[in-house]
Amino acid sequence: GQNIDQPTEMTATEGAIVQINCTYQTSGFNGLFWYQQHAGEAPTFLSYNVLDGLEEKGRFSSFLSRSKGYSYLLLKELQMKDSASYLCAVISYGQNFVFGPGTRLSVLP
Amino acid sequence: ETGVTQTPRHLVMGMTNKKSLKCEQHLGHNAMYWYKQSAKKPLELMFVYNFKEQTENNSVPSRFSPECPNSSHLFLHLHTLQPEDSALYLCASSQVARGDNEKLFFGSGTQLSVL
Repeated sequence: GQNIDQPTEMTATEGAIVQINCTYQTSGFNGLFWYQQHAGEAPTFLSYNVLDGLEEKGRFSSFLSRSKGYSYLLLKELQMKDSASYLCAVISYGQNFVFGPGTRLSVLP
Repeated sequence: ETGVTQTPRHLVMGMTNKKSLKCEQHLGHNAMYWYKQSAKKPLELMFVYNFKEQTENNSVPSRFSPECPNSSHLFLHLHTLQPEDSALYLCASSQVARGDNEKLFFGSGTQLSVL
């Protein structure tokens, strides 16, 4: 089966950097996604990693290590609007997405 | 705006009611999904439709009945629900190519409360 783990909650200060970790166990790995979900809104796509390494997109970066079953989402120059839940999801060949429990990030002034 | 529209946004129903959730995608995708999101639990996949054919039913109770009349519309018919069915129900769509899934686009969800 598949198993995905993330911290439940994190708190950080405006302007700081925060790293949200995700560990997974799966067979036939075919990609890892990060989604952002504000309360009462749709999850929106942030990033996709299928090869090892760092993908940078503005203030957000995502890292993947397939051998370790590990990913992180790095948020720089935190803003109040970054307060949201961050969902890690893994997809395997011929399978549907499996989501982690999500990490609720609170950004404090 | 994600290109996936869900109605209603909020729904309160009694255990004996019958209601339907509606989802429409404007992205030209060939797959649509229903997910259930309960507090402090991962998103749970309920149903998958590829090219209007149901390809997955994750042991969902029969009081939930999906319908996919075409590749742009998806319904979830609800009847005799239980209080534990209260949750956010999310619709999503994606483009499936060569058996592999591209990223999901989600609607804003229907917040369902069963009294």
